[in-house]
Amino acid sequence: DAGVTQSPTHLIKTRGQQVTLRCSPKSGHDTVSWYQQALGQGPQFIFQYYEEEERQRGNFPDRFSGHQFPNYSSELNVNALLLGDSALYLCASSLEQGAGYEQFFGPGTRLTVL
Amino acid sequence: QKEVEQDPGPLSVPEGAIVSLNCTYSNSAFQYFMWYRQYSRKGPELLMYTYSSGNKEDGRFTAQVDKSSKYISLFIRDSQPSDSATYLCAMSALRGGADGLTFGKGTHLIIQP
Repeated sequence: DAGVTQSPTHLIKTRGQQVTLRCSPKSGHDTVSWYQQALGQGPQFIFQYYEEEERQRGNFPDRFSGHQFPNYSSELNVNALLLGDSALYLCASSLEQGAGYEQFFGPGTRLTVL
Repeated sequence: QKEVEQDPGPLSVPEGAIVSLNCTYSNSAFQYFMWYRQYSRKGPELLMYTYSSGNKEDGRFTAQVDKSSKYISLFIRDSQPSDSATYLCAMSALRGGADGLTFGKGTHLIIQP
């Protein structure tokens, strides 16, 4: 049973560029959440996707956008990158209905903005 | 004041000791409480999940929630060097974190052999 997978593992970009991060949820899960974790901090909630719609959003600017596909996989897009966007980006998946509704995290994508 | 407060440590204890980790929070709407373990440069791993107040035990781990005091704890018995990691508390108002999980800063735990 594959867990949550994310790609790429590492990414280096320059200020002003755009980046796309990808996430495949745990088998059977239908909900995907994205978090940003700066060094030495806890993860911060960016947004959550369910049924291909953004359902909840944290305190992040519109430069952060996402998408969920019919197979439940998801993308996180960040435009006009800033130095402060350097962080570990985590994807978590969960099941909307039934038992096992906890969020399970992937290994993350480490983004460095120069 | 942050919504969730957690002492970042580091907390260093000898192997075999009982470890106590805790978080306080301010949002009384939180009903679901989680503890995650995160090794360096890895994703968080879910350890414990509890709903409302009470205790939950799983092997060497015990989670306690006191909603009246807005205080949650994680106890680790017979601590091992492999328990050395950062421990993150997380909480949400809605089932499954449908409102997004709110995390503490994490406590860095070191178990000395």
